[in-house]
Amino acid sequence: SYVLTQPPSVSVAPGQTARITCGGDNIRSRSVHWYQQRPGQAPVLAVYDDGDRPSGIPERFSGSNSANTATLTISRVEAGDEADYYCQVWDSRSAHWVFGGGTKLTVL
Amino acid sequence: EVQLLESGGNLVQPGGSLRLSCAASGFTFSDYAMSWVRQAPGKGLEWVSSTSGSGGSTYYADSVKGRFFISRDNSENTTYLEMNNLRAGDTATYYCAKNWASGRGAFDVWGQGTMVTVTS
Repeated sequence: SYVLTQPPSVSVAPGQTARITCGGDNIRSRSVHWYQQRPGQAPVLAVYDDGDRPSGIPERFSGSNSANTATLTISRVEAGDEADYYCQVWDSRSAHWVFGGGTKLTVL
Repeated sequence: EVQLLESGGNLVQPGGSLRLSCAASGFTFSDYAMSWVRQAPGKGLEWVSSTSGSGGSTYYADSVKGRFFISRDNSENTTYLEMNNLRAGDTATYYCAKNWASGRGAFDVWGQGTMVTVTS
């Protein structure tokens, strides 16, 4: 089955840029979605279809997808961005949705 | 306002059964696929199952196939997850989510979750 690999943790100082990666075989051929989950809360869609933002998500959130790595980029990081972030793709071969293991973003 | 409200979570013994419900409001329910995602305590998200808008197509994670069954009642704007032969490994918060076709299937709305604990 298709596997998505994320780093367990990323740390960044306030005001800096955080980059969270999601690795998968030829992930460029798939549409990648990203979710933010703050402690004790349900996940929220942060970026869809590689790099589009749902309404209500700040422009500081962006995404890219190339070769074997998709990346969620959070510019001008704020304390409120501290959360777990998950990538997701649809694997048509198995007809399964697949989530990455998640990355904990810590704002120093 | 678009909302999803799960219910039915409980404490159950291994081998037992449980049915979760997810009541939707604020959108044309039958137009959207719906999914269930679970999260074990302290762990990441795991997709469980999805159903098409009509309910005619269903999909399951390998870990639950043959034990869990997803269904929906479009007249009641509700989707269900019937869980049988429950195991300790099924202990998790279960979220229902709306699939956004225009967003390449992304889960754009989530419920608050309902907790299932499987223990003797």
